Amino acid sequence: QMQLVESGGGVVQPGGSLRLSCEASGFTFFSTAMHWVRQVPGKGLEWVSFIQFDGSFKWYADTVKGRFTISRDDSKNTLYLQMNNLTAEDGALYYCATAINYYMEVWGRGTTVTVSS
Amino acid sequence: QSALTQPASVSGSPGQSITISCTGTSSDVGNFDFVSWYQHHPGKAPKVLIYRVNERPSGVSNRFSGSKSGNTASLTISGLQTEDEGDYFCCSYGGRLWVFGGGTKLTVL
Repeated sequence: QMQLVESGGGVVQPGGSLRLSCEASGFTFFSTAMHWVRQVPGKGLEWVSFIQFDGSFKWYADTVKGRFTISRDDSKNTLYLQMNNLTAEDGALYYCATAINYYMEVWGRGTTVTVSS
Repeated sequence: QSALTQPASVSGSPGQSITISCTGTSSDVGNFDFVSWYQHHPGKAPKVLIYRVNERPSGVSNRFSGSKSGNTASLTISGLQTEDEGDYFCCSYGGRLWVFGGGTKLTVL
């Protein structure tokens, strides 16, 4: 079945960097657009970034634009999120999700990022 | 990119119907028929219930239905069941971005 598994979360100091990964299985990853979405504990979901199936479009929320970079490696069925210059406000549970018909069809269980000194 | 507005909580008894509203702007909900709804139980992956305002993915119960009027979308759950208890989020495409609601906690009394 379709599955997404996020990894790469952890504790990082303010101003630091982290790269999240999302490994896909059970579907044709190379033909699927993808999202990153995050959730601060006790708060709502926040869309972070989108990448078209061929990497031709990459869109970002204003809150992360210029600091985060979304990318994909279809040979590894893996989606990435490079996060630089992290702040406390970036601490959250990060989900990856498939992008179908302008909605998020399949989600992973998330990986936690904590930004703290 | 302001979050869509949802009530913080709603409640209902088993068998009843409830409706959760989701208010956006003319830049998102009012401008695109790309509103989706998600059910989220803590510790689990969110699950899509509704897409394109009122379409249900295969396998989702027909107790869940969606609608939209102007800048406000709605999710209705009929025949409430105890397992419906959880958090519900709306989401709208807004032109090169997506915006979520703050979430609504549903309690089944």
